[in-house]
Amino acid sequence: GDSVTQMEGPVTLSEEAFLTINCTYTATGYPSLFWYVQYPGEGLQLLLKATKADDKGSNKGFEATYRKETTSFHLEKGSVQVSDSAVYFCALRHSGNTPLVFGKGTRLSVIA
Amino acid sequence: NAGVTQTPKFQVLKTGQSMTLQCAQDMNHEYMSWYRQDPGMGLRLIHYSVGAGITDQGEVPNGYNVSRSTTEDFPLRLLSAAPSQTSVYFCASSYSGGTGEQYFGPGTRLTVT
Repeated sequence: GDSVTQMEGPVTLSEEAFLTINCTYTATGYPSLFWYVQYPGEGLQLLLKATKADDKGSNKGFEATYRKETTSFHLEKGSVQVSDSAVYFCALRHSGNTPLVFGKGTRLSVIA
Repeated sequence: NAGVTQTPKFQVLKTGQSMTLQCAQDMNHEYMSWYRQDPGMGLRLIHYSVGAGITDQGEVPNGYNVSRSTTEDFPLRLLSAAPSQTSVYFCASSYSGGTGEQYFGPGTRLTVT
C-alpha cells in the first residue's frame, strides 16, 4: 500500500537557520502531495501542496518540489523563525474520495 | 464560514462509558474523516465517509462507530470506552473533486480512566 516516510525528529535550529525536512513516498500512480503544519494545541493546517511532478508548492517562505524520479517532497525554508516551531506532516492522496496517507510527523523547535 | 467544528474540546470518561464526539462542517464537503493522534504515532485513520449514507473503515476502526445521515455532520461514537482510546481526535473534510486538500477541526482531547 501507499506510505510516507519522514525524517525522525525532533529538529532543533537556531533562528535564521536553513531548514530541510526530508519526505519520501511509496505510491502507485501520481498522487497529490501535501505538507501540513500543527502548532501546539491546534489542529492541522495545510502549509503547501503539489499536484503533479515538478510542481513546486510554496507558502510563508516554505517550499517543496514534487520529484517523481526520487519519489520525494522535501520541505525547505531559507530562514526559520521562532514562530515556525511546530510539528510538520508530509502526506499524499490520490483523489478527493480516498484517505490522506500521513507520515509520522517531524517536530521542529526554533530557538532565539 | 466556521469551517470544521468539533465538540467537546475536552472530555474525561470512565472505562465502559459511552459518548459521541461531534463533527460538523459548513463547506458542503462530500468527504469527511476521523483520525486519532497519539504521541509518536502520527495520525491514524479511524473511519471515513465519501457522502451521506456511505461510510468505510480506516486503519483503526475497532471500538468506534460512525454514521453519516447529512452532508454536514459526521459523529464518532465510542460504545464502551477503554483506556487505550485516550487520545486526541481530529475530524477533517474535503471536496471529493479538486486537489484533495483536507480541512481539519481543532480536535477533541479524550481521557479514559
